[in-house]
Amino acid sequence: SQQGEEDPQALSIQEGENATMNCSYKTSINNLQWYRQNSGRGLVHLILIRSNEREKHSGRLRVTLDTSKKSSSLLITASRAADTASYFCATLPRKSSGDKLTFGTGTRLAVRP
Amino acid sequence: SQTIHQWPATLVQPVGSPLSLECTVEGTSNPNLYWYRQAAGRGLQLLFYSVGIGQISSEVPQNLSASRPQDRQFILSSKKLLLSDSGFYLCAWSFRGEAFFGQGTRLTVV
Repeated sequence: SQQGEEDPQALSIQEGENATMNCSYKTSINNLQWYRQNSGRGLVHLILIRSNEREKHSGRLRVTLDTSKKSSSLLITASRAADTASYFCATLPRKSSGDKLTFGTGTRLAVRP
Repeated sequence: SQTIHQWPATLVQPVGSPLSLECTVEGTSNPNLYWYRQAAGRGLQLLFYSVGIGQISSEVPQNLSASRPQDRQFILSSKKLLLSDSGFYLCAWSFRGEAFFGQGTRLTVV
């Protein structure tokens, strides 16, 4: 599998529910980041978690990182229709040069009103 | 504040024609710059990155080339487009490991 794979590939939930997306990676990392992409647009940075951190919050977003399992999760609480988008995790390898991020294939989230 | 501009937003080009996509960054100096390609419903593939003027690293063999003639300008080019060059191209710059993206160019080669 590729570095930075998200799971599930697609997720459909009702507005108000929580959405959880997972990401697995292979190599040692410096940090892991989550991005959001609305259809046909550029990616927007959501949150960055460093390898020495285990959990981070930003508004309705909660990210966890388990470096022993090489995995991360993104939780969106109390989802809204406007949260409908694709979400990508990206890893910065520990020995990266030039800040080269490796992106996963993304999770498509649909929030039904 | 820093901004990144990428144009055009959409482009339809015939097979065999040349390509030039331009990306500029404002509000920062000596940024790391990147060109990514995203196939439909897929993740991002890093094509090129640059850590300075005239310094280009190619990540995958391809029909495309990149140039950085000025500190905050990054250009993606091709002499002859192939059908397989169709996709969504994204320019980005990074600061302390965090990437900031342009709005992308949807390229359709016909």
